[in-house]
Amino acid sequence: DAKTTQPNSMESNEEEPVHLPCNHSTISGTDYIHWYRQLPSQGPEYVIHGLTSNVNNRMASLAIAEDRKSSTLILHRATLRDAAVYYCILLSGNQFYFGTGTSLTVIP
Amino acid sequence: NAGVTQTPKFQVLKTGQSMTLQCAQDMNHNSMYWYRQDPGMGLRLIYYSASEGTTDKGEVPNGYNVSRLNKREFSLRLESAAPSQTSVYFCASSGAWTGNYGYTFGSGTRLTVV
Repeated sequence: DAKTTQPNSMESNEEEPVHLPCNHSTISGTDYIHWYRQLPSQGPEYVIHGLTSNVNNRMASLAIAEDRKSSTLILHRATLRDAAVYYCILLSGNQFYFGTGTSLTVIP
Repeated sequence: NAGVTQTPKFQVLKTGQSMTLQCAQDMNHNSMYWYRQDPGMGLRLIYYSASEGTTDKGEVPNGYNVSRLNKREFSLRLESAAPSQTSVYFCASSGAWTGNYGYTFGSGTRLTVV
């Protein structure tokens, strides 16, 4: 199964941009890169996904390396409500592998 | 609000008891999934249903069975609960069984087996 590697934790100041990295060196050509976040005691929430090109939506931007072996989730202006665990996931075959994610702390 | 509804939200079972976790989505999604999340860990896929009428095993299917009752509903059954099945269970759905659709998750069922 294709897997991802993320830092265990990161901190950001409120109202500053946040760049959350993810390595996925074993990604295959048909794997989509998904990002989800999970607040305490809640289910994961979809953030963004992409295949090869960079993607933008109202929540965030996804920057995908040219070789697709890494990607970065960009929160343009962190708020306290963005404090969560962020999961970088590859949709691979019949598995949707969640790692342990990055716990983001937003400092007021 | 449109989304994925799971029932019950909390449950305590004794070892050996059985129960069914219910999941329903109202987004007309084709694919549905059951995950479990143990403390401090990511989610692991138990079973999935790529489309109505089909079900397949995921990463950790032992001790569970599923039923895709119709397009809206996907239930997870524990026939003989064990303490190792203490976990938070999440149901999810997506438009199709491809990577190009985001998943919508329910709020979870917290199950304790004593």
